[in-house]
Amino acid sequence: AQSVTQLGSHVSVSEGALVLLRCNYSSSVPPYLFWYVQYPNQGLQLLLKYTSAATLVKGINGFEAEFKKSETSFHLTKPSAHMSDAAEYFCAVSADSGYALNFGKGTSLLVTP
Amino acid sequence: DVKVTQSSRYLVKRTGEKVFLECVQDMDHENMFWYRQDPGLGLRLIYFSYDVKMKEKGDIPEGYSVSREKKERFSLILESASTNQTSMYLCASSPTAYEQYFGPGTRLTVT
Repeated sequence: AQSVTQLGSHVSVSEGALVLLRCNYSSSVPPYLFWYVQYPNQGLQLLLKYTSAATLVKGINGFEAEFKKSETSFHLTKPSAHMSDAAEYFCAVSADSGYALNFGKGTSLLVTP
Repeated sequence: DVKVTQSSRYLVKRTGEKVFLECVQDMDHENMFWYRQDPGLGLRLIYFSYDVKMKEKGDIPEGYSVSREKKERFSLILESASTNQTSMYLCASSPTAYEQYFGPGTRLTVT
């Protein structure tokens, strides 16, 4: 079954520093991959998606992710963290059934002044 | 703009009660999903539906049922609520594609 593993349940960065959130996937077929963000007391919002086109995917709010098949990775990056980036981030992969997604357990990003 | 709404943001119910969580989308999407979110466990799929009156079990369907009588509405039913069903419940919808749009969530507490 398709699955994702997010490395690090909590990541802390200083404002202005590079953000790197790690996601590795396991899939027997070419996957579709997603990053979602969840701000406190809200639903999930799509940041970006990989659907087998360009391997470097740009999303909203300055985030991007690179699909690396050789490493089975889809890490999320942002060159310079803002305080407003503090949130929970979820990586997801297309599941076997219908159009369901399998989500990782999430990474909580803390941005310090 | 895409819109998924959930009937309640916060809900408190007693053990044994029958609980209905409603979700409505206005995008004419075929697929709708119910997840529960718990700290450290991420999102887990309860049920999904790919058409009116059609449903499929997700990873954790036990203790839940669903209803989809109209394309825009997908209901999650807890037949007899238990304390271990205290959680955040998230509804999502998608067209014939994997990109999902989420509602704001319902935080359910069962006492």
